[in-house]
Amino acid sequence: QVVLTQSPSASASLGASVKLTCTLSSGHSTYAIAWHQQQPGKGPRYLMKLNSAGSHSKGDGIPDRFSGSSSGPERYLTISSLQSEDEADYYCQTWGTGIRVFGGGTKLTVL
Amino acid sequence: EVQLVESGGGLVKPGGSLRLSCAASGFTFSTYSMNWVRQAPGKGLEWVSSINSGSTYIYYADSVKGRFTISRDNAKNSLYLQMNSLRADDTAVYYCARDCVYCNEGDAFDIWGQGTMVTVSS
Repeated sequence: QVVLTQSPSASASLGASVKLTCTLSSGHSTYAIAWHQQQPGKGPRYLMKLNSAGSHSKGDGIPDRFSGSSSGPERYLTISSLQSEDEADYYCQTWGTGIRVFGGGTKLTVL
Repeated sequence: EVQLVESGGGLVKPGGSLRLSCAASGFTFSTYSMNWVRQAPGKGLEWVSSINSGSTYIYYADSVKGRFTISRDNAKNSLYLQMNSLRADDTAVYYCARDCVYCNEGDAFDIWGQGTMVTVSS
């Protein structure tokens, strides 16, 4: 069964860039994933879908500051020109027949 | 506007039952697979259940199998979650989320509701 692993926390300064990582378990390195953002006190918001080649398609209204890339079993979310509203929890998600899976989430702090 | 609105949450005693609803609007509900996802206080997201457009493929997380039942009424653009034998560890915000079109294998959850809180406590 596929497992997604995320670092529990990350931090970066206002205006800087940060790269969050989601790692697919062994044997599942070709899976596509999705990235979701959850701001404090709010429901999740879909950011993008990202495949193993690094091609991504973003949700409506997602700024260009958010981009995705891939390398082997790792899927990345890069946020550039960090703003205070980017401080949030970020979850990766994948899927298969009969199963939907979330990573444990990364709490991003904007310093 | 594409929208999902959950309702039906509340306080229930251990062993009790509750039925959640999710009203969809702004898209052709009958063509999409749908999901329930929950989030316990201070914890991450946990997938609960999935149902395809025609209700022919239904899946559950092991943690709720045998206690929860997902269903949908395409004529009413609505998704449901019947929760029985509720336990304290079912306490969470429950979200509905849109999945893939006419498929079974799943996809990115591209639309989320705002959630409804379920508290299981005596």
